[in-house]
Amino acid sequence: AQTVTQSQPEMSVQEAETVTLSCTYDTSESDYYLFWYKQPPSRQMILVIRQEAYKQQNATENRFSVNFQKAAKSFSLKISDSQLGDAAMYFCAYTYGGATNKLIFGTGTLLAVQP
Amino acid sequence: EAGVAQSPRYKIIEKRQSVAFWCNPISGHATLYWYQQILGQGPKLLIQFQNNGVVDDSQLPKDRFSAERLKGVDSTLKIQPAKLEDSAVYLCASSPLDRDGINEQFFGPGTRLTVL
Repeated sequence: AQTVTQSQPEMSVQEAETVTLSCTYDTSESDYYLFWYKQPPSRQMILVIRQEAYKQQNATENRFSVNFQKAAKSFSLKISDSQLGDAAMYFCAYTYGGATNKLIFGTGTLLAVQP
Repeated sequence: EAGVAQSPRYKIIEKRQSVAFWCNPISGHATLYWYQQILGQGPKLLIQFQNNGVVDDSQLPKDRFSAERLKGVDSTLKIQPAKLEDSAVYLCASSPLDRDGINEQFFGPGTRLTVL
């Protein structure tokens, strides 16, 4: 069964600093997709970044980047130049796509940004 | 474009009562998902529709939960009768059909249910 593990329940970072959130997953599939979602206190989940497993190049979206290690089944999120608006719950998620496209989420990491 | 709409935003009921949640997906999105997010956990898929057909309802407690998506547009999720452990945020998401199967899911604001 596919599982997603986030071992850091809470993290804190100073404004303008860099923080890395960890995620590991377990799957027997060779093709799959990984995501980081942000859920601010208002609860609307938004996609931050995604990675296709067949791509060796790590995905980047502005201040957000990932370190995808397929052999280690690791998928960490790096936030550079942290801003107050980055404070939120961050969820790592996995899907192998196909007909169901069901997202399997980790338990989340609550990120606090200190001014 | 308008996002995924959900109502109500909050609901408090007593155990054994029934409750219904409504979701209107983004216009044109063929796939609709209902997730249950219990406090301290990540969302868990309850049911997935493609147009008005069910794709996956393997984790839906069918003895008390039901869902429908008439005409392949908006959807209703019902709980009858509610139990204390149903207290959670119920998230609706939608996604467009994508030829390569990588469908970004867009989430609504959720409905927070408290069962007393």
